[in-house]
Amino acid sequence: DTVLTQSPALAVSPGERVSISCRASEGVNSYMHWYQQKPGQQPKLLIYKASNLASGVPARFSGSGSGTDFTLTIDPVEADDTATYFCQQSWNDPRTFGGGTKLELK
Amino acid sequence: EVQLVESGGVLVQPGRSMKLSCAASGFTFSSFPMAWVRQAPTKGLEWVATISTSGGSTYYRDSVKGRFTISRDNAKSTLYLQMDSLRSEDTATYYCTTGPLGVYHGGWFAYWGQGTLVTVSS
Repeated sequence: DTVLTQSPALAVSPGERVSISCRASEGVNSYMHWYQQKPGQQPKLLIYKASNLASGVPARFSGSGSGTDFTLTIDPVEADDTATYFCQQSWNDPRTFGGGTKLELK
Repeated sequence: EVQLVESGGVLVQPGRSMKLSCAASGFTFSSFPMAWVRQAPTKGLEWVATISTSGGSTYYRDSVKGRFTISRDNAKSTLYLQMDSLRSEDTATYYCTTGPLGVYHGGWFAYWGQGTLVTVSS
């Protein structure tokens, strides 16, 4: 299976820029997607196919990367962005998720 | 508005069976592949199974193959997950999800239900 590696946690101040990384154990073309999950809620799609903003998602969120290295950027970070962020690939079988990066605000 | 509402999650003993349902509305159910994704308590997300629009093709992760069965009733806009021979490691919140999915790979999970908790314990 394709393993997706994310940093476990990050802490930033409101108004700053934050980059959350996801590294794949093998190439996934551009089929990397990003989800936000707040405590007690279901995941929400933010970015699909590496860099495409999902409907209704603020332009503060952006995605980049291809192959094995991908980044989700939030600029500027707001208090409401406190959540866990998961990457997910759908190029290789089976679909897999990263372990998640918990974003905390200082 | 797309809505996915799961039900059926309960406390069940190891080795027993249960069936989850997901009622869909707000979109043409029969036009979209559907999937189940689960999340063990305080853990990450794990894809479980996918079914094609007609129900003729299904795909499972190895750890549930032969124990779980995904199915759908397009007339009722409902997705199901029959879970047999349950194990403690199946304990998780199970989410119903859909999007522009391929059955075996491709696509992304655009819409999610709120989830239903399955607890497998004696």
